[in-house]
Amino acid sequence: QSALTQPPSASGSPGQSVTISCTGTSSDIGNYNYVSWYQQHPGKAPKLMIYEVSKRPSGVPDRFSGSKSGNTASLTVSGLQAEDEADYYCSSYAGSNNPLVVFGGGTKLTVL
Amino acid sequence: ELQLVESGGGLEQPGGSLRLSCGASGFTFSTNAMSWVRQAPGKGLEWVSGISAGGGNTYYTDSVKGRFTISRDNSRDTLYLQMHSLRAEDTALYYCAKVRGTYGEFDYWGQGTLVTVSS
Repeated sequence: QSALTQPPSASGSPGQSVTISCTGTSSDIGNYNYVSWYQQHPGKAPKLMIYEVSKRPSGVPDRFSGSKSGNTASLTVSGLQAEDEADYYCSSYAGSNNPLVVFGGGTKLTVL
Repeated sequence: ELQLVESGGGLEQPGGSLRLSCGASGFTFSTNAMSWVRQAPGKGLEWVSGISAGGGNTYYTDSVKGRFTISRDNSRDTLYLQMHSLRAEDTALYYCAKVRGTYGEFDYWGQGTLVTVSS
């Protein structure tokens, strides 16, 4: 069982918006602004899409956005495109707790 | 171009040992914390271990404490994971990941090396 809880699946049609939630606790998401999101296509390594809750690395489209409220973080993908179909994982720093970093179980995003 | 290239994976019997390596290029390795993250077949990501830029601080998830040792050679731009007393549940693709900043966010990943523990 993963430390962070994500829905196993999400879907949307091209052009629509989809939001994926990630629920943790006051020991991880609720206590730190070091929440990140990773995109993983089949057979590929994960790719950082969002860091520090809402910041986008260079090269990541602004269709991807992140937010946090309390112990729950969210990733929103706007203007869905076919290439957005992938697995998405959230992660949070957990400080001196073990493990140091916790991941969600992943959400399979399907573009209909 | 930043690159992380893992090696050293393979098939090992339960109780055996393996040493994974991760060669880094394209950035100043010695000033960046690094981690190992694994992914069991068909499963999600799991953080395994981390090490500070200078190597003086190391961190492990509970399930590998006392069995795995993370280390680095900054003169060779290489990260290591020494794995002992391997168990079937250690079977996974092991990724080397560069830490962005200090707090466990991973901005670059290697392609992974597969460790299979089976008799």
